[in-house]
Amino acid sequence: NAGVTQTPKFRVLKTGQSMTLLCAQDMNHEYMYWYRQDPGMGLRLIHYSVGEGTTAKGEVPDGYNVSRLKKQNFLLGLESAAPSQTSVYFCASSDRAGQFFGPGTRLTVL
Amino acid sequence: GENVEQHPSTLSVQEGDSAVIKCTYSDSASNYFPWYKQELGKRPQLIIDIRSNVGEKKDQRIAVTLNKTAKHFSLHITETQPEDSAVYFCAASTGTASKLTFGTGTRLQVTL
Repeated sequence: NAGVTQTPKFRVLKTGQSMTLLCAQDMNHEYMYWYRQDPGMGLRLIHYSVGEGTTAKGEVPDGYNVSRLKKQNFLLGLESAAPSQTSVYFCASSDRAGQFFGPGTRLTVL
Repeated sequence: GENVEQHPSTLSVQEGDSAVIKCTYSDSASNYFPWYKQELGKRPQLIIDIRSNVGEKKDQRIAVTLNKTAKHFSLHITETQPEDSAVYFCAASTGTASKLTFGTGTRLQVTL
């Protein structure tokens, strides 16, 4: 099993550009999450999903959109990137055994 | 919503000593408390967790304690080794499959 995977690993955007981050899991988990990690601020929840076709806002949802069209995939979109969205983005999925993270995507917005 | 505070933000210990990291939470409904270890440039990895019906859990050199009355929980690492150097995060939620609220992390440095 690959667990939780994320693409791309790195990306540089210019202000105003758009992009989509892809998260995939092969553990048949219902719950999936997107976090951002900034120095000194820990991990903050952007959006999450409790099952295929559902999404909900987390702690810092502004400027992001998500979709969960398939159970194994959770997409995070930035419609108009801003320098404040420079961060490391982690996807995770969970079941009763716990929450498990992907390797992360380092995004820089110039 | 839930708020998790974590202390200290940095901790330096000598190899072989013990390290203790403490967290407090605000939501009395929280009943699941995992700890994650994150090495530089890597993903957070679940190292141990505790549920509210248990006061203490141990796994080799790592132990976690929970005081529900005081709303605090702690990570204890004994006989520290250089490979224990990392950032440790505590978290709280209302269930193992529920969204987590994280503390801000503790950078542990184990020196020779």
